[in-house]
Amino acid sequence: GAGVSQSPSNKVTEKGKDVELRCDPISGHTALYWYRQSLGQGLEFLIYFQGNSAPDKSGLPSDRFSAERTGGSVSTLTIQRTQQEDSAVYLCASSLGRYIETQYFGPGTRLLVL
Amino acid sequence: AQKITQTQPGMFVQEKEAVTLDCTYDTSDQSYGLFWYKQPSSGEMIFLIYQGSYDEQNATEGRYSLNFQKARKSANLVISASQLGDSAMYFCAMRGVPNNAGNMLTFGGGTRLMVKP
Repeated sequence: GAGVSQSPSNKVTEKGKDVELRCDPISGHTALYWYRQSLGQGLEFLIYFQGNSAPDKSGLPSDRFSAERTGGSVSTLTIQRTQQEDSAVYLCASSLGRYIETQYFGPGTRLLVL
Repeated sequence: AQKITQTQPGMFVQEKEAVTLDCTYDTSDQSYGLFWYKQPSSGEMIFLIYQGSYDEQNATEGRYSLNFQKARKSANLVISASQLGDSAMYFCAMRGVPNNAGNMLTFGGGTRLMVKP
């Protein structure tokens, strides 16, 4: 079956612009995770959705970051007024449910802020 | 807080030989899970193997096995009969007790494995 898909695969933007990153989880997976992978910080957790709900948004790096999930499926991660330090690979993962262990990752979106 | 340490930034192994990638962890949770992921140059994180903290036997998946030593808080990945396609970054990760962050994973810094023909 289809895995996790993310779009766009690459995004180049200018500092100060807003960007939207999309994640399509594996069908039937209720849990969805966003992570960020950067040279300086390694892999860091951003946010988790169970269904459409994100119980804890404290992992988001700043208030310029927001995320939503609709219909228990597609999720978007929005970064407003992008900064150069936002340049990273943004990875999305999904799992069957909150108590189901394995997370399956998408190919990521490579964001470059000039 | 959880912490994962991978002390080998890079490793070489000869094709067809076995290799061990080190991972140590620290957590105060009694229940936790340990994962290994492979990240080829294409960037996608590929799940390899999982070990639960209460599992008594070491996990195995094909050529991958996890050498779990709970008292030493280590979860080393063993790859048998290395292949050229095994060249990639390998990440050790753990999850603690599910909470408002679900089963969020904490990752180590990774080990770059290079398989020599």
